[in-house]
Amino acid sequence: AQSVTQLGSHVSVSEGALVLLRCNYSSSVPPYLFWYVQYPNQGLQLLLKYTTGATLVKGINGFEAEFKKSETSFHLTKPSAHMSDAAEYFCAVSEEAGSYQLTFGKGTKLSVIP
Amino acid sequence: DAGVIQSPRHEVTEMGQEVTLRCKPISGHDYLFWYRQTMMRGLELLIYFNNNVPIDDSGMPEDRFSAKMPNASFSTLKIQPSEPRDSAVYFCASSLFGNTIYFGEGSWLTVV
Repeated sequence: AQSVTQLGSHVSVSEGALVLLRCNYSSSVPPYLFWYVQYPNQGLQLLLKYTTGATLVKGINGFEAEFKKSETSFHLTKPSAHMSDAAEYFCAVSEEAGSYQLTFGKGTKLSVIP
Repeated sequence: DAGVIQSPRHEVTEMGQEVTLRCKPISGHDYLFWYRQTMMRGLELLIYFNNNVPIDDSGMPEDRFSAKMPNASFSTLKIQPSEPRDSAVYFCASSLFGNTIYFGEGSWLTVV
């Protein structure tokens, strides 16, 4: 069975500082990994995904994530936080290419301090 | 292009009443999903359809919950009778096999 653990339900960073949101997964097969963002009162929007190939994945809004098999991790980073990045971020794993069996983490709420 | 469209956006109902949530997936998508989001349990997959056929409903919490997809452009999630613990945000999402899942903006349900 697949599972996702997001460390830290709430992360605060200063504007301009590095954003690091942690995600560890468990999967019995090579996983497909996703980061979604949810702005207040909105649905989830895909930030980036890893399927195969290059382990460093770039997404929208300057975010990127690196798949590290040895660490079973897929941490999300952004070099410089903007106020507009304040949102909740969800890591998800799928064991199918079709990604229709997504298992989500509990989410990490990112606050950006001016 | 229009995204996944859900209605109603907000619903407040009394315990025991029937609740029907509606979803119009993105045109051409062959998968449709219903998720529930709560503070306690996070995001949970309730049920998903492929080509209008329910494939996995193991996430549906109780018999009070039912979902239908009569055609490729419409799905409903029904709760009858509703209970306060059903209060949550219900998301509909759709995808084309092998591609990104797109979420609607959610239906915020409060059962009092």
